[in-house]
Amino acid sequence: DTGVSQNPRHKITKRGQNVTFRCDPISEHNRLYWYRQTLGQGPEFLTYFQNEAQLEKSRLLSDRFSAERPKGSFSTLEIQRTEQGDSAMYLCASSLLNTEAFFGQGTRLTVV
Amino acid sequence: QKEVEQDPGPLSVPEGAIVSLNCTYSNSAFQYFMWYRQYSRKGPELLMYTYSSGNKEDGRFTAQVDKSSKYISLFIRDSQPSDSATYLCAMSSSASKIIFGSGTRLSIRP
Repeated sequence: DTGVSQNPRHKITKRGQNVTFRCDPISEHNRLYWYRQTLGQGPEFLTYFQNEAQLEKSRLLSDRFSAERPKGSFSTLEIQRTEQGDSAMYLCASSLLNTEAFFGQGTRLTVV
Repeated sequence: QKEVEQDPGPLSVPEGAIVSLNCTYSNSAFQYFMWYRQYSRKGPELLMYTYSSGNKEDGRFTAQVDKSSKYISLFIRDSQPSDSATYLCAMSSSASKIIFGSGTRLSIRP
């Protein structure tokens, strides 16, 4: 296992289009997190799963954002009707319960 | 007030110096503390993980947690130009999300 894998690494989309990102966590990690990061800021929490259950979703998160983790393995993050303000790095991390989290290399989204 | 406060810097020190990076927090329930290093346009890389109070050392890096003061630190000894990056503190309680500081930009001058 080579760590957390995110695809695609880069995505350029037109405003109003839908995009979907994928995260493959480290095997057997039961927690999976999604964060968003803009330039000069720390990662901002979006949502997290324990196995297939979505335990928390940020109150700042628009209804245009949805995440799934079917079968408690990989996860997808979908953004509907993208806006220019959605341009950011989207980071995925995974961990065992109450242990350190490991990040993927992120998906850089540019909305034009 | 943010749950985790971190001075954004930038912090510039000469090569070989000892670097001290710090974060303060407000949630006394936090028990798990992490430091990450992030290079430009890359994902955060875990450097140190500490549970509860105390010190932990790994090579040139030492992490300290003072829960009574709600204060954590990362020390880098014999700093190298390759240590130039943004350093993120992060913390959580059991059964909760991980909260990050805003990051400190560090530059090591050759």
